[in-house]
Amino acid sequence: QQPVQSPQAVILREGEDAVINCSSSKALYSVHWYRQKHGEAPVFLMILLKGGEQKGHEKISASFNEKKQQSSLYLTASQLSYSGTYFCGTERGADSWGKLQFGAGTQVVVTP
Amino acid sequence: DVKVTQSSRYLVKRTGEKVFLECVQDMDHENMFWYRQDPGLGLRLIYFSYDVKMKEKGDIPEGYSVSREKKERFSLILESASTNQTSMYLCASSPILGGRGSYEQYFGPGTRLTVT
Repeated sequence: QQPVQSPQAVILREGEDAVINCSSSKALYSVHWYRQKHGEAPVFLMILLKGGEQKGHEKISASFNEKKQQSSLYLTASQLSYSGTYFCGTERGADSWGKLQFGAGTQVVVTP
Repeated sequence: DVKVTQSSRYLVKRTGEKVFLECVQDMDHENMFWYRQDPGLGLRLIYFSYDVKMKEKGDIPEGYSVSREKKERFSLILESASTNQTSMYLCASSPILGGRGSYEQYFGPGTRLTVT
């Protein structure tokens, strides 16, 4: 079952903050976040692992609440380059190592 | 830089045709994936391969098959294309799982397939 993302879309002015949420009904091993700009391939942003480890390289932060099976992506002091569709991908571990189930996406528009 | 390439950006096929979508990665990744992307549904996994000649079904494998004869190449096959397979198809690759945690997936540019 796909994770549920919210909101579906958000419009921000440059410098504003936003939070994107990703919820699963199943226990998770990791959560991945990707951003896709219009007409381009999705690009990796971050992995959050069970136990609190994070791997990422953007100025965008995220959290992972294992008990609630939820992850949140924080867009802080947004820049025009943050525009795009954000997808979370969840990995359940055990019999599904390496396989991600993606949410429907959150469209983010940052305006000047 | 990791590069994942797909054979076509746009493809138009007729109902009933056999369709081959090719994907090549140049980073010696063990894992390769095929997804389809539809508006409002995000990316859905069709098939996954973790080694040459090894494959696993994803969430929506019906109507599709795959082939991985060489490590760098992963093909998606539509045996008999139907109009409901009109979609954007994305290929991805990632390094093998090892130790703790999984690894980022690198995506190709996608193939927009239209079946008429």
